[in-house]
Amino acid sequence: EAGVAQSPRYKIIEKRQSVAFWCNPISGHATLYWYQQILGQGPKLLIQFQNNGVVDDSQLPKDRFSAERLKGVDSTLKIQPAKLEDSAVYLCASSLDPQTSGGWTEQYFGPGTRLTVT
Amino acid sequence: RKEVEQDPGPFNVPEGATVAFNCTYSNSASQSFFWYRQDCRKEPKLLMSVYSSGNEDGRFTAQLNRASQYISLLIRDSKLSDSATYLCVVNRYSGNTGKLIFGQGTTLQVKP
Repeated sequence: EAGVAQSPRYKIIEKRQSVAFWCNPISGHATLYWYQQILGQGPKLLIQFQNNGVVDDSQLPKDRFSAERLKGVDSTLKIQPAKLEDSAVYLCASSLDPQTSGGWTEQYFGPGTRLTVT
Repeated sequence: RKEVEQDPGPFNVPEGATVAFNCTYSNSASQSFFWYRQDCRKEPKLLMSVYSSGNEDGRFTAQLNRASQYISLLIRDSKLSDSATYLCVVNRYSGNTGKLIFGQGTTLQVKP
């Protein structure tokens, strides 16, 4: 079974530039998550989609970050404009619908996109 | 205070040693608990769930103490391949869905 795909794997940009990341979840997974993992820290949830609707975006810096999942499958995460502190690994994960499993199903993570902002 | 706290280590142990990692969580609304493993420059992967009764998977034993809001992971007979970062994770329920909260991770280095 194919896992979660992400691209690009690495990206280097200058501050104030824009960047976009792409994620293709595991087939049949209704729920998609974007996490930010800063070096030395655990992943932090940025946004959670259920099909093409947003379930939780409470920790998404909405002044510069945006995400969409228009057809309920692929998703893109955009940063505009980037700041130095956005340097991190951006992880996409997907799972079956946790609402049908008492609030949790295993999340499968993609390899991540390593962003460096200079 | 972080919602999930772990000692970042690193823990440097010889092969065959027994090592224990601890984790505390602050939000009593946390309902389910896990240990994830993350290899260097790789994505996190679920290692095991954690239950109040304690659970074991081969050389790995996980324990949860809800009263103390404390989670542990014990690794017996450490192997070189156990070298990784171990992330303590709690699932905080909100409505009818959950949100994973990760600790910062504890790094284990097993040496020959």
